[in-house]
Amino acid sequence: GAVVSQHPSWVICKSGTSVKIECRSLDFQATTMFWYRQFPKQSLMLMATSNEGSKATYEQGVEKDKFLINHASLTLSTLTVTSAHPEDSSFYICSAQALAGGPGEQYFGPGTRLTVT
Amino acid sequence: AQTVTQSQPEMSVQEAETVTLSCTYDTSESDYYLFWYKQPPSRQMILVIRQEAYKQQNATENRFSVNFQKAAKSFSLKISDSQLGDAAMYFCAYRGFSDSKLTFGKGITLSVRP
Repeated sequence: GAVVSQHPSWVICKSGTSVKIECRSLDFQATTMFWYRQFPKQSLMLMATSNEGSKATYEQGVEKDKFLINHASLTLSTLTVTSAHPEDSSFYICSAQALAGGPGEQYFGPGTRLTVT
Repeated sequence: AQTVTQSQPEMSVQEAETVTLSCTYDTSESDYYLFWYKQPPSRQMILVIRQEAYKQQNATENRFSVNFQKAAKSFSLKISDSQLGDAAMYFCAYRGFSDSKLTFGKGITLSVRP
């Protein structure tokens, strides 16, 4: 149980275009989802926290107009990278939590590799 | 703000031997959770072990165990009988008791020599 999927697993897009990444909790309802960015051999950097039905909370330094997050249902959150540039190339990971705070675990998706050319 | 420090960027261990990965953290909270995550080359994050701060007993999961020293704010991971499949990046992480966000350390790359 507790599986989180991401789609696509790898995407290449041209500079200036937008790309959407989906994160789904397959066998549980996620009240909270998180989006991380990870550069090679580095740690995960939290970009934003989203709760179903409300606006995402972005971490300091993350451009909310560039990284649009939508948590439309208890099983789906999307990250849209708008007007992508080569510096947006990275590995994006989502995680989902079943219970807010408390002992609820975060379950991680397999990640999406974004390459902007 | 909470911080998690993993000061060793890389470690190496001989297959079948034991290795300990270090982690320290800083917090003003009394209740919290600590985690060790493994990220193999596939980059899928895998929860290795978790410790609740209010529990004095150190958590164990098969070959993985922790040494949790609350007063010293230290949380090390011991891997016994190391296997080639243990080669990965390992991240120590902190989460407040009533919080959802994880704070990760920088990670350590563990290699296993056959």
